[in-house]
Amino acid sequence: QTVVTQEPSLTVSPGGTVTLTCASSTGAVTSGYYPNWFQQKPGQAPRALIYSTNNKHSWTPARFSGSLLGGKAALTLSGVQPEDEAEYYCLVYYGGALVFGGGTKLTVL
Amino acid sequence: EVQLVESGGGLVQPGGSLRLSCAASGITFSRFWMSWVRQAPGKGLEWVANIKEDGSETSYVDSVKGRFTIFRDNAKNSLYLQMNSLKAEDTAVYYCARGPTYYYGGSGYYSYFDYWGQGTLVTVSS
Repeated sequence: QTVVTQEPSLTVSPGGTVTLTCASSTGAVTSGYYPNWFQQKPGQAPRALIYSTNNKHSWTPARFSGSLLGGKAALTLSGVQPEDEAEYYCLVYYGGALVFGGGTKLTVL
Repeated sequence: EVQLVESGGGLVQPGGSLRLSCAASGITFSRFWMSWVRQAPGKGLEWVANIKEDGSETSYVDSVKGRFTIFRDNAKNSLYLQMNSLKAEDTAVYYCARGPTYYYGGSGYYSYFDYWGQGTLVTVSS
């Protein structure tokens, strides 16, 4: 069974920069796994942020960026805002199956 | 405005059945893959199933294979999830989402999810 691993929790100060990562139990995450990133706030549906590694949706704030880093997919927030406090999930494609990471709870403090 | 509205959730006994619906508006529904994603109380997201634009291809997470069926009616702009032999561990909020959408860009293939519904709660309990 494929497992996708994210940091369970991270804390960042307002205005700071933080990087969340997404690792695959099968090996390095590459662009061929089409990594996507989603933000979810309590009581709300997920919101898509990044697709296919580093592409933003029209509504994605400029401070969010995606990349590949050391064999993992990564989501970087630069100039963090209080409203960025949320759970963040990556999604990785494995052929016909899709697997979400366990999520990273980002605290802005 | 794009809207995905799920319905059909509720309380069902173990071993029972339920059919979820997702009504789409504001999109050309028949041109997109669609998915169901669930979230157990206090837990993370889990992809459940997806279906090709014309319904000719489907995929499922292993834990629901043989019990759940995803299907669509493009004439009604609707997506469905038929859930049989329900178990307590199927208790979750079920979201429909548009995607995965594939396209070829200048430097290769891309795929994304974009729009999500607000979800419908399924509780499996005696």
